[in-house]
Formats: sequence, structure tokens, C-alpha cells
Amino acid sequence: DAKTTQPPSMDCAEGRAANLPCNHSTISGNEYVYWYRQIHSQGPQYIIHGLKNNETNEMASLIITEDRKSSTLILPHATLRDTAVYYCIVIAGTYKYIFGTGTRLKVLA
Amino acid sequence: KAGVTQTPRYLIKTRGQQVTLSCSPISGHRSVSWYQQTPGQGLQFLFEYFSETQRNKGNFPGRFSGRQFSNSRSEMNVSTLELGDSALYLCASSLAISYEQYFGPGTRLTVT
Repeated sequence: DAKTTQPPSMDCAEGRAANLPCNHSTISGNEYVYWYRQIHSQGPQYIIHGLKNNETNEMASLIITEDRKSSTLILPHATLRDTAVYYCIVIAGTYKYIFGTGTRLKVLA
Repeated sequence: KAGVTQTPRYLIKTRGQQVTLSCSPISGHRSVSWYQQTPGQGLQFLFEYFSETQRNKGNFPGRFSGRQFSNSRSEMNVSTLELGDSALYLCASSLAISYEQYFGPGTRLTVT
């Protein structure tokens, strides 16, 4: 079973920040939080990952709470092309990714 | 740099047949993983190879097998196909342990 819990769906207005939450209350100390997204019928796309510090790259920011039991992916200025299913995964030292059901983000014009 | 490529992109097979899917990782990547995606079960891990050795295996029957070659290219084989094997099969590559995975476009297998 997936070690993460995400809301099944969210809407966001185009140009606004999209904040996608993920609960991983049973995360272990050596487990990273990874985020991927999947646009309809394509392969998942890597977005960002982190261990305990907040991370930012050209696509998004990742905010991890101090107790590491939850995190938020932030897309600062959502566009229609950001409409996708977003997956949060916790993983450590192995590539046996266990995907949950993800959050279906719909960006509205 | 070219991305992960998978061939063929689409495939139709008959129940009972076998199929081989191919994956070419990003140049320099040594780890290849395979996933099955269906509407009912979502994305499920099949197996992972690193330096020609299977390192992890998901909860799939022995009809699903794979291998990796010395150039890191990988193949997966499904024997005695069942209708339930109809799915999108995704391959992902990464540099090594603790690096992010990059997924290919997938092979859509339909079993009739």
C-alpha cells in the first residue's frame, strides 16, 4: 500500500499558485519525498524531491513540515498545461516506487 | 540528451500469446524500472534492474519477467497473456540509487 495520502482532486485558477498537499505520517528518517505528475496517457514526469529541507527548482517548490509528516507541492503560477495527476511518493534507497491514487489537478481558465 | 524510449508504442496480442517490450534508458543511466498502469489498479511496480541484476521485484506472477543488457537496455516479457494484462507498460531510468527516475512514453498493450 502507498505510504502517502492525497486529496483526489483540486481545482486552481490559471495564474494562481496551486498548493497540493500530501500526508506521509509514517515516513522514516531516511525516506525522501518525491513528486511526479502524469499528463493524460503520458509517462510520469519528475518534478522535485526533498528529505527535510524545503526545495525549489524551475518547476515547483516543495515545503516539508518540520516533523516530516506532511508536505506541500507549490506550482507558483499554474497554467493550463499543469493540468495533470500529481503523485507524492516516499522512498529510500530503492526504486520500488509505490504510487498512490494521486491528486487530479485541474487548472481553470 | 534523448529521453527514455520504448518500443513498440502500441501492441495488440491474443490471449495465450507472449510479448516482449523494449526500453532504452537515457544515455549514462544504469538503472531501469518497469511499471504497469491500469485504470483499476493504477501504477504498479513490476521490477528494477541495475547493472544487469534484478534488485527489486513487485508483486506480479512469474509470467512477468525482465532482463537488462550490458548497455543498460532492458526488456520485459509477459508469457501466456491474459485479458487482465491489457495495460500501459512504463519504463523509467535513473543514474543510480537515490536519483530521480525519468519515464518513457509507455507501451500500450491490448490483449484480446
